[in-house]
Amino acid sequence: DAGVTQSPTHLIKTRGQQVTLRCSPKSGHDTVSWYQQALGQGPQFIFQYYEEEERQRGNFPDRFSGHQFPNYSSELNVNALLLGDSALYLCASSLLGAQDYEQYFGPGTRLTVT
Amino acid sequence: KQEVTQIPAALSVPEGENLVLNCSFTDSAIYNLQWFRQDPGKGLTSLLLIQSSQREQTSGRLNASLDKSSGRSTLYIAASQPGDSATYLCAVSSNTGKLIFGQGTTLQVKP
Repeated sequence: DAGVTQSPTHLIKTRGQQVTLRCSPKSGHDTVSWYQQALGQGPQFIFQYYEEEERQRGNFPDRFSGHQFPNYSSELNVNALLLGDSALYLCASSLLGAQDYEQYFGPGTRLTVT
Repeated sequence: KQEVTQIPAALSVPEGENLVLNCSFTDSAIYNLQWFRQDPGKGLTSLLLIQSSQREQTSGRLNASLDKSSGRSTLYIAASQPGDSATYLCAVSSNTGKLIFGQGTTLQVKP
């Protein structure tokens, strides 16, 4: 049973560019959440997708957008990249309605903006 | 607004010691609490999940406790090993599944 997978592993972009990160949830899961983790910090919630809709959103600007596909996989898009967007981006999946609502994380995508 | 704090920020112990990591949160209305392990540059591995109605969970040498009324959780690691060296993150969850994390405790276990 594959866990949560993310691609690419690493990415280097220039300020002002746009980037798309991808996530496939754990088998059987229907909800995908995205987190940003700056160096030395705990992860910060960006948004969550369920049934192809953004269900809730953290305190991130509109430059951060996402999408969920019918197979539950998800994309995170960031426009007009800033140096401060350099971080590890983590995807987590879960099953809505599960009693414990446990979150499973992928290995992350390391984004460097130069 | 929920805030999660972890103390200490870093900890260095000799192999074999028992140790306790602390996590506190400001709003007791949580759905569950998870402890994660993170190796440098890697993703998060779930260690233990405690539902709001539970007081503790155990897995091997790990034991996590939860006291909702005081807004505290502890992670107890017995007989620490060099392979336990990592950053340990505590996160509380609302009933929508949104996780709010502490900043982590970086543990070094010296042989």
